[in-house]
Amino acid sequence: DVKVTQSSRYLVKRTGEKVFLECVQDMDHENMFWYRQDPGLGLRLIYFSYDVKMKEKGDIPEGYSVSREKKERFSLILESASTNQTSMYLCASSFWGQPQHFGDGTRLSIL
Amino acid sequence: GIQVEQSPPDLILQEGANSTLRCNFSDSVNNLQWFHQNPWGQLINLFYIPSGTKQNGRLSATTVATERYSLLYISSSQTTDSGVYFCAVRGSNFGNEKLTFGTGTRLTIIP
Repeated sequence: DVKVTQSSRYLVKRTGEKVFLECVQDMDHENMFWYRQDPGLGLRLIYFSYDVKMKEKGDIPEGYSVSREKKERFSLILESASTNQTSMYLCASSFWGQPQHFGDGTRLSIL
Repeated sequence: GIQVEQSPPDLILQEGANSTLRCNFSDSVNNLQWFHQNPWGQLINLFYIPSGTKQNGRLSATTVATERYSLLYISSSQTTDSGVYFCAVRGSNFGNEKLTFGTGTRLTIIP
């Protein structure tokens, strides 16, 4: 079975802090994704990566950056956290043209 | 971009009842996935079904790609079926790995 592991289930940070969300997959997938989920807005794509050191902006990249130094790991970075980034963050991975598999999610609160 | 609509938005049923959830999409797709999000926020893969019919226990799904809709059937509902069901699609343009999610159907099963 595919395993996508997110480093934290719950995280509380303060406004202005630099926040790192980590995601690791064990299936050698080329593609990795970061989504955020908000009530009434569904899941929206922040960034994705189709190879090491490659990244593409999704629908809502503002305020975020990403890093993919190794194939199995994809990090989402909030450079200076703000309260409007309080959300549920979900990581996913896939082979090209194949279904995406999701991690358990991180509930991030910015105070 | 591609639009995804799910209906109904909310559904409340007695345990043992059957249900049909619908997903309409606005353009041709080469991937369609159904997910169940449980009360803990975990997004569980149910089906990868760009076309045709699949069954897994009490759940089955049908996608009619030419008419741009998919249906998820749940038979003999159990309380553990409660949660939000999402449909997500990937457009058929080359190199597009992005999933677009519907806003979900919230299913509540009453004992």
